[in-house]
Amino acid sequence: DQQVKQNSPSLSVQEGRISILNCDYTNSMFDYFLWYKKYPAEGPTFLISISSIKDKNEDGRFTVFLNKSAKHLSLHIVPSQPGDSAVYFCAAITLGGNTPLVFGKGTRLSVIA
Amino acid sequence: DTAVSQTPKYLVTQMGNDKSIKCEQNLGHDTMYWYKQDSKKFLKIMFSYNNKELIINETVPNRFSPKSPDKAHLNLHINSLELGDSAVYFCASSRDSGANVLTFGAGSRLTVL
Repeated sequence: DQQVKQNSPSLSVQEGRISILNCDYTNSMFDYFLWYKKYPAEGPTFLISISSIKDKNEDGRFTVFLNKSAKHLSLHIVPSQPGDSAVYFCAAITLGGNTPLVFGKGTRLSVIA
Repeated sequence: DTAVSQTPKYLVTQMGNDKSIKCEQNLGHDTMYWYKQDSKKFLKIMFSYNNKELIINETVPNRFSPKSPDKAHLNLHINSLELGDSAVYFCASSRDSGANVLTFGAGSRLTVL
């Protein structure tokens, strides 16, 4: 039962262009969403998050968009850089509940110089 | 100085053996977690401890026994290892059980032959 889905296992983008990573969720109780970035042989590191009361959150080159009615969020990286090449995990949680973060399977982003 | 450290990083062992993975965090966090990333790449919660008390125990075989001697440590002991236990195990911590941002360790890759 995949509550958080990342349907694209991989994505290749040219340096300088926009990377768009997508995530869908099924649990309408989720009210906080996060993106984690993972390099090989390292643990996931927190990148950016968004609360369900917002539809956009921006941090430098990274922007997360949330469409609650579609239960869809996306991470935009612009401009993409080779150092952005990593696996990106979408995660969701219900705040105030005693439930842990639920992760998607991840999308491997390759930024080609 | 590593925030969440786990040892060993790699572990290769035979079926039927018993092994342990150790985790320590120096962030002063109250809550610690074990996640498993299997061959399908999902990061799935196994256990969560808050101040040495078990608060989340997903449907994990009872061959897996977490132990938290203090709030800075959460070790994972696995009895009678099976082939299906091969995975990368990630330890993580958060400020408290209601926090939504987790800090992960680098992972421990367990291979059962």
